[in-house]
Amino acid sequence: DGGITQSPKYLFRKEGQNVTLSCEQNLNHDAMYWYRQDPGQGLRLIYYSQIVNDFQKGDIAEGYSVSREKKESFPLTVTSAQKNPTAFYLCASSSRGRLYSNQPQHFGDGTRLSIL
Amino acid sequence: GIQVEQSPPDLILQEGANSTLRCNFSDSVNNLQWFHQNPWGQLINLFYIPSGTKQNGRLSATTVATERYSLLYISSSQTTDSGVYFCAVEAGANSKLTFGKGITLSVRP
Repeated sequence: DGGITQSPKYLFRKEGQNVTLSCEQNLNHDAMYWYRQDPGQGLRLIYYSQIVNDFQKGDIAEGYSVSREKKESFPLTVTSAQKNPTAFYLCASSSRGRLYSNQPQHFGDGTRLSIL
Repeated sequence: GIQVEQSPPDLILQEGANSTLRCNFSDSVNNLQWFHQNPWGQLINLFYIPSGTKQNGRLSATTVATERYSLLYISSSQTTDSGVYFCAVEAGANSKLTFGKGITLSVRP
């Protein structure tokens, strides 16, 4: 079945440690996105990529890094510079419509990151 | 940037009741989506509705782009409708969705 797979579902980070969250999609979508959700809040955009080997910062990119070497994969690294990484992380993808408008975004099931 | 406001922030319904959830936005949009987040955190697409009206079973949505608001209607609510409902908009061609803070719906049996 087509979809977006995020792994792991739960992740624990020690102080000073970098961790990488995986996001894979088999929907043949060009665009991929990473969002962060804190308790009782909406989603905030961390990074997004509209094409392979290109990505842009979202609203809260500090302390995070991404890569987009393959169309189907968009991993997110939470670096030690991110001082408050405990949150729910959601990955999304969408196809590109005519005139560069975007089609609906579809989401994975998320990864919950906690600090040890 | 664009602002998205959802109301009411919390809603409690008895099973079988109808409800209307509202989303106001501060600028023109070329994409508007409604999502339902279930208790496990899964975010489910409900509607992609930058303008007009759509219906899907007991749910329907209307976006009046010229007046910068969208409404989500839930009829004959069920306990499985409980969760958080998010409205998200995209302004311009930058592909960035801006989310509202959500509406928490609790449907009681």
